[in-house]
Amino acid sequence: DQQVKQNSPSLSVQEGRISILNCDYTNSMFDYFLWYKKYPAEGPTFLISISSIKDKNEDGRFTVFLNKSAKHLSLHIVPSQPGDSAVYFCAASEGDKIIFGKGTRLHILP
Amino acid sequence: DAGITQSPRYKITETGRQVTLMCHQTWSHSYMFWYRQDLGHGLRLIYYSAAADITDKGEVPDGYVVSRSKTENFPLTLESATRSQTSVYFCASNPTGRNYGYTFGSGTRLTVV
Repeated sequence: DQQVKQNSPSLSVQEGRISILNCDYTNSMFDYFLWYKKYPAEGPTFLISISSIKDKNEDGRFTVFLNKSAKHLSLHIVPSQPGDSAVYFCAASEGDKIIFGKGTRLHILP
Repeated sequence: DAGITQSPRYKITETGRQVTLMCHQTWSHSYMFWYRQDLGHGLRLIYYSAAADITDKGEVPDGYVVSRSKTENFPLTLESATRSQTSVYFCASNPTGRNYGYTFGSGTRLTVV
């Protein structure tokens, strides 16, 4: 049973526009949520996280929103740049470990 | 070099053989993790370790064995490799708890023929 779901396998966005990546979860006991970015042939790199007691966290062009009642979080990238083309993984922490979604491939179009 | 390194980078092995993937980190992070990445499944946790000599199962532990005799090393062994274990394997480490992002290695691409 998938506890962290990314229902969009891919997303294409024009350069300069906003990219919105979505994630749903089922376990209300998750206490931290994270986003990772992955380029081909490299390991994932940590982007941004949010505590379950907050509803927004911002870091430069990246903002994560958390809606606990809907068990939904989203990552906003503004403005989108060519280097943002990658696979983005949503993740949630449960105890000592992190559970990942399947990922969304983001294509930034020129 | 400081960081987390995995070896080998690529490995081809035959069904039934034992193979060990290595992971080494230089930060003395307490936590270390092994994930596998497969198309359609994302990243799935195999095993993790909170400290030397402490290991625990993740989502998909069957067919794998881990050990952690030293803080800096966390090898993953496939006791008798199967084709379903063909995957990209990532090791990660974390200084304390889960609210910090993990640092991942570059991965090992394993093919079982």
